Amino acid sequence: EAGVAQSPRYKIIEKRQSVAFWCNPISGHATLYWYQQILGQGPKLLIQFQNNGVVDDSQLPKDRFSAERLKGVDSTLKIQPAKLEDSAVYLCASSTTGTGNEKLFFGSGTQLSVL
Amino acid sequence: DAKTTQPPSMDCAEGRAANLPCNHSTISGNEYVYWYRQIHSQGPQYIIHGLKNNETNEMASLIITEDRKSSTLILPHATLRDTAVYYCIVRVASGNTPLVFGKGTRLSVIA
Repeated sequence: EAGVAQSPRYKIIEKRQSVAFWCNPISGHATLYWYQQILGQGPKLLIQFQNNGVVDDSQLPKDRFSAERLKGVDSTLKIQPAKLEDSAVYLCASSTTGTGNEKLFFGSGTQLSVL
Repeated sequence: DAKTTQPPSMDCAEGRAANLPCNHSTISGNEYVYWYRQIHSQGPQYIIHGLKNNETNEMASLIITEDRKSSTLILPHATLRDTAVYYCIVRVASGNTPLVFGKGTRLSVIA
Protein backbone atom coordinates (compact mmCIF):
# COMPACT_ATOMS: atom_id res chain seq x y z
CA GLU A 1 0.00 0.00 0.00
CA ALA A 2 1.40 3.39 -0.99
CA GLY A 3 1.89 5.80 1.88
CA VAL A 4 1.29 9.53 2.20
CA ALA A 5 3.37 11.35 -0.40
CA GLN A 6 4.75 14.85 0.17
CA SER A 7 6.85 17.16 -1.93
CA PRO A 8 9.24 18.81 -1.99
CA ARG A 9 11.36 17.12 0.65
CA TYR A 10 13.37 20.26 1.35
CA LYS A 11 12.83 23.94 0.57
CA ILE A 12 14.96 26.97 1.27
CA ILE A 13 13.53 30.45 0.73
CA GLU A 14 14.16 34.00 1.86
CA LYS A 15 11.78 35.80 4.18
CA ARG A 16 8.83 37.49 2.48
CA GLN A 17 8.88 34.95 -0.36
CA SER A 18 6.04 32.52 -0.92
CA VAL A 19 6.17 28.72 -0.83
CA ALA A 20 3.79 25.83 -1.44
CA PHE A 21 3.79 22.25 -0.22
CA TRP A 22 1.92 19.36 -1.78
CA CYS A 23 0.40 16.25 -0.20
CA ASN A 24 -1.15 13.16 -1.74
CA PRO A 25 -2.89 11.07 0.96
CA ILE A 26 -3.44 7.34 0.95
CA SER A 27 -6.08 6.38 -1.60
CA GLY A 28 -9.58 6.41 -0.16
CA HIS A 29 -8.70 8.41 2.94
CA ALA A 30 -11.31 11.09 3.53
CA THR A 31 -9.50 12.94 6.30
CA LEU A 32 -6.32 14.92 5.71
CA TYR A 33 -4.24 16.86 8.24
CA TRP A 34 -1.43 19.38 8.00
CA TYR A 35 0.90 19.67 10.97
CA GLN A 36 3.80 22.04 11.67
CA GLN A 37 6.77 20.74 13.66
CA ILE A 38 9.31 23.22 14.95
CA LEU A 39 12.68 21.79 15.93
CA GLY A 40 12.56 20.16 19.36
CA GLN A 41 8.78 20.21 19.63
CA GLY A 42 5.95 17.83 18.86
CA PRO A 43 3.85 18.34 15.72
CA LYS A 44 1.15 21.00 15.96
CA LEU A 45 -2.08 20.73 13.96
CA LEU A 46 -2.58 23.52 11.43
CA ILE A 47 -5.67 22.35 9.55
CA GLN A 48 -7.89 19.29 9.17
CA PHE A 49 -9.99 18.46 6.09
CA GLN A 50 -12.85 16.02 5.76
CA ASN A 51 -13.08 15.34 2.01
CA ASN A 52 -12.86 18.87 0.58
CA GLY A 53 -14.31 20.66 3.61
CA VAL A 54 -12.41 22.22 6.51
CA VAL A 55 -13.11 20.62 9.91
CA ASP A 56 -10.65 22.62 12.02
CA ASP A 57 -8.37 25.49 11.05
CA SER A 58 -8.31 27.25 14.42
CA GLN A 59 -4.49 27.14 14.65
CA LEU A 60 -3.78 28.16 11.06
CA PRO A 61 -2.28 31.68 10.84
CA LYS A 62 -4.73 32.79 8.20
CA ASP A 63 -3.01 36.09 7.48
CA ARG A 64 -0.19 34.20 5.76
CA PHE A 65 -1.12 30.50 5.56
CA SER A 66 -3.72 28.98 3.29
CA ALA A 67 -4.63 25.41 2.41
CA GLU A 68 -6.97 23.76 -0.03
CA ARG A 69 -8.17 20.31 -0.96
CA LEU A 70 -10.28 21.07 -3.99
CA LYS A 71 -11.30 17.60 -5.14
CA GLY A 72 -11.10 15.90 -1.79
CA VAL A 73 -7.85 14.13 -2.65
CA ASP A 74 -4.58 16.08 -2.99
CA SER A 75 -3.92 19.09 -0.82
CA THR A 76 -1.70 22.16 -1.02
CA LEU A 77 -0.46 24.29 1.88
CA LYS A 78 0.83 27.77 1.03
CA ILE A 79 2.72 30.40 3.00
CA GLN A 80 2.76 33.97 1.71
CA PRO A 81 4.79 35.87 2.81
CA ALA A 82 7.10 33.61 4.81
CA LYS A 83 8.67 34.69 8.09
CA LEU A 84 11.79 33.40 9.81
CA GLU A 85 9.65 31.67 12.46
CA ASP A 86 7.98 29.55 9.75
CA SER A 87 11.14 27.45 9.54
CA ALA A 88 9.87 23.98 10.44
CA VAL A 89 8.93 20.58 9.08
CA TYR A 90 5.45 20.50 7.55
CA LEU A 91 3.83 17.10 7.91
CA CYS A 92 0.80 15.77 6.09
CA ALA A 93 -1.25 12.89 7.49
CA SER A 94 -4.38 11.05 6.45
CA SER A 95 -6.90 8.60 7.88
CA THR A 96 -9.94 6.75 6.58
CA THR A 97 -12.73 8.72 8.24
CA GLY A 98 -11.07 10.71 11.05
CA THR A 99 -12.76 9.05 13.99
CA GLY A 100 -10.88 8.42 17.22
CA ASN A 101 -10.40 4.69 16.74
CA GLU A 102 -8.42 5.11 13.52
CA LYS A 103 -4.71 5.56 13.18
CA LEU A 104 -3.22 8.43 11.23
CA PHE A 105 -0.60 7.78 8.59
CA PHE A 106 2.07 10.45 8.18
CA GLY A 107 4.25 11.46 5.27
CA SER A 108 7.97 12.18 5.64
CA GLY A 109 7.35 15.92 5.65
CA THR A 110 8.76 18.98 3.93
CA GLN A 111 11.60 20.72 5.75
CA LEU A 112 11.34 24.49 5.23
CA SER A 113 14.20 26.85 5.99
CA VAL A 114 13.43 30.58 5.84
CA LEU A 115 16.56 32.75 5.65
CA ASP B 1 -2.68 21.31 24.94
CA ALA B 2 -1.43 17.76 25.43
CA LYS B 3 -3.21 15.85 28.18
CA THR B 4 -0.31 13.55 28.94
CA THR B 5 2.94 13.72 30.93
CA GLN B 6 6.03 11.81 29.86
CA PRO B 7 9.67 11.86 31.00
CA PRO B 8 11.76 13.91 28.57
CA SER B 9 14.37 11.19 28.01
CA MET B 10 15.25 7.58 28.77
CA ASP B 11 18.07 5.17 27.99
CA CYS B 12 17.77 1.46 27.34
CA ALA B 13 20.39 -1.21 26.69
CA GLU B 14 20.10 -3.00 23.37
CA GLY B 15 18.26 -6.31 23.72
CA ARG B 16 16.55 -5.31 26.93
CA ALA B 17 12.90 -4.32 27.33
CA ALA B 18 12.16 -0.62 27.09
CA ASN B 19 9.34 0.52 29.38
CA LEU B 20 8.05 4.00 28.58
CA PRO B 21 5.63 5.50 31.10
CA CYS B 22 2.84 7.99 30.46
CA ASN B 23 0.58 9.79 32.88
CA HIS B 24 -2.91 10.79 31.71
CA SER B 25 -4.71 11.39 35.00
CA THR B 26 -7.53 13.47 33.45
CA ILE B 27 -8.47 10.91 30.79
CA SER B 28 -12.18 10.45 30.10
CA GLY B 29 -13.99 7.17 29.61
CA ASN B 30 -14.36 7.75 25.86
CA GLU B 31 -10.71 8.56 25.17
CA TYR B 32 -8.15 6.26 23.63
CA VAL B 33 -4.48 6.11 24.54
CA TYR B 34 -2.29 6.23 21.43
CA TRP B 35 1.46 5.77 21.05
CA TYR B 36 3.42 7.08 18.09
CA ARG B 37 7.15 7.34 17.55
CA GLN B 38 9.26 9.58 15.37
CA ILE B 39 12.65 8.51 14.12
CA HIS B 40 14.97 11.30 13.07
CA SER B 41 13.96 12.98 9.79
CA GLN B 42 10.83 10.88 9.41
CA GLY B 43 7.14 11.45 10.04
CA PRO B 44 5.48 10.00 13.15
CA GLN B 45 4.81 6.27 12.98
CA TYR B 46 1.84 4.56 14.62
CA ILE B 47 2.75 1.96 17.26
CA ILE B 48 -0.36 0.92 19.17
CA HIS B 49 -3.53 2.22 20.82
CA GLY B 50 -6.05 1.03 23.40
CA LEU B 51 -9.12 2.05 25.37
CA LYS B 52 -9.27 -0.06 28.54
CA ASN B 53 -7.64 -3.40 27.95
CA ASN B 54 -3.99 -4.17 27.46
CA GLU B 55 -3.00 -4.48 23.81
CA THR B 56 -0.18 -6.24 22.00
CA ASN B 57 0.94 -6.19 18.39
CA GLU B 58 4.08 -7.03 16.47
CA MET B 59 5.80 -3.83 17.58
CA ALA B 60 4.92 -3.40 21.24
CA SER B 61 2.63 -3.97 24.20
CA LEU B 62 0.44 -1.35 25.84
CA ILE B 63 -0.37 -1.74 29.51
CA ILE B 64 -3.15 0.52 30.82
CA THR B 65 -3.77 0.71 34.57
CA GLU B 66 -7.18 -0.25 35.86
CA ASP B 67 -8.08 3.36 36.70
CA ARG B 68 -6.78 4.36 33.21
CA LYS B 69 -4.77 7.23 34.67
CA SER B 70 -1.48 5.93 33.37
CA SER B 71 -0.04 3.54 30.84
CA THR B 72 3.25 1.93 29.84
CA LEU B 73 4.52 1.17 26.38
CA ILE B 74 6.77 -1.88 26.31
CA LEU B 75 9.24 -2.62 23.53
CA PRO B 76 10.19 -6.19 24.46
CA HIS B 77 13.65 -6.36 22.90
CA ALA B 78 14.92 -2.89 22.05
CA THR B 79 17.28 -2.47 19.10
CA LEU B 80 19.31 0.51 17.96
CA ARG B 81 16.61 1.21 15.36
CA ASP B 82 14.14 1.87 18.18
CA THR B 83 15.99 5.07 19.08
CA ALA B 84 13.33 7.75 18.56
CA VAL B 85 10.97 10.21 20.24
CA TYR B 86 7.92 8.39 21.61
CA TYR B 87 4.64 10.26 21.96
CA CYS B 88 1.79 9.22 24.24
CA ILE B 89 -1.50 10.82 23.11
CA VAL B 90 -5.03 10.81 24.47
CA ARG B 91 -7.70 11.05 21.78
CA VAL B 92 -11.49 11.24 21.94
CA ALA B 93 -13.11 8.17 20.42
CA SER B 94 -15.97 9.86 18.62
CA GLY B 95 -16.17 12.64 16.06
CA ASN B 96 -13.45 14.17 13.93
CA THR B 97 -10.53 14.37 16.33
CA PRO B 98 -6.89 14.97 15.42
CA LEU B 99 -3.85 13.80 17.35
CA VAL B 100 -2.55 16.43 19.79
CA PHE B 101 1.16 15.87 20.38
CA GLY B 102 3.15 16.80 23.48
CA LYS B 103 6.92 16.79 23.71
CA GLY B 104 7.28 13.02 24.05
CA THR B 105 10.10 10.90 25.47
CA ARG B 106 13.41 10.67 23.67
CA LEU B 107 14.46 7.01 23.94
CA SER B 108 18.11 6.21 23.31
CA VAL B 109 18.96 2.55 22.83
CA ILE B 110 22.59 1.94 23.71
CA ALA B 111 24.74 -0.89 22.37
